[in-house]
Amino acid sequence: NAGVTQTPKFRVLKTGQSMTLLCAQDMNHEYMYWYRQDPGMGLRLIHYSVGEGTTAKGEVPDGYNVSRLKKQNFLLGLESAAPSQTSVYFCASFGLKYNEQFFGPGTRLTVL
Amino acid sequence: AQSVTQPDIHITVSEGASLELRCNYSYGATPYLFWYVQSPGQGLQLLLKYFSGDTLVQGIKGFEAEFKRSQSSFNLRKPSVHWSDAAEYFCAVGARRAAGNKLTFGGGTRVLVKP
Repeated sequence: NAGVTQTPKFRVLKTGQSMTLLCAQDMNHEYMYWYRQDPGMGLRLIHYSVGEGTTAKGEVPDGYNVSRLKKQNFLLGLESAAPSQTSVYFCASFGLKYNEQFFGPGTRLTVL
Repeated sequence: AQSVTQPDIHITVSEGASLELRCNYSYGATPYLFWYVQSPGQGLQLLLKYFSGDTLVQGIKGFEAEFKRSQSSFNLRKPSVHWSDAAEYFCAVGARRAAGNKLTFGGGTRVLVKP
């Protein structure tokens, strides 16, 4: 039982490049989330999903897209990366059994 | 809209001393409240959570938190700090299922432990 995993762990992009971050969970959770963490701002919700095939905007969705084609996976895409997207990205899934979000280890992204 | 404020950005405490981290929230209904801890370079680990009932909640690693509705607070405490408690702590308020069970986090409090 791996819980929530994220790939890659680190990535450096140049401005304008694109990339996709992958989040996978093996707990059969319906809800999944993408957050970004910046110093002094805590974690802010980018997008989330309440089930396979559904997505919704969070607090800071601009510049990001997401997809949830399979229940266990939640992808976060950056179509044209900007330096303002330099951050640590966390994925989480929510389980009704324990009524809490479980977090992945994070992806550190630097955009030059 | 829900919000969380953690007034202290940094706290330095001596090993063995007590620790209290403040958290104030704004939410239109009875809140779900959480405290998470993040060690350097790591993900977030849940320390404790409050949904209803007893307002004093016990968590892992010897932490406890008290929900005070009248003060809109959910402060975290530990009677005796260990060096391994040096980390960043986040308070969060959770929305109900109809709102996607989303979490809103405070800005965090970084705890430094002096020997």
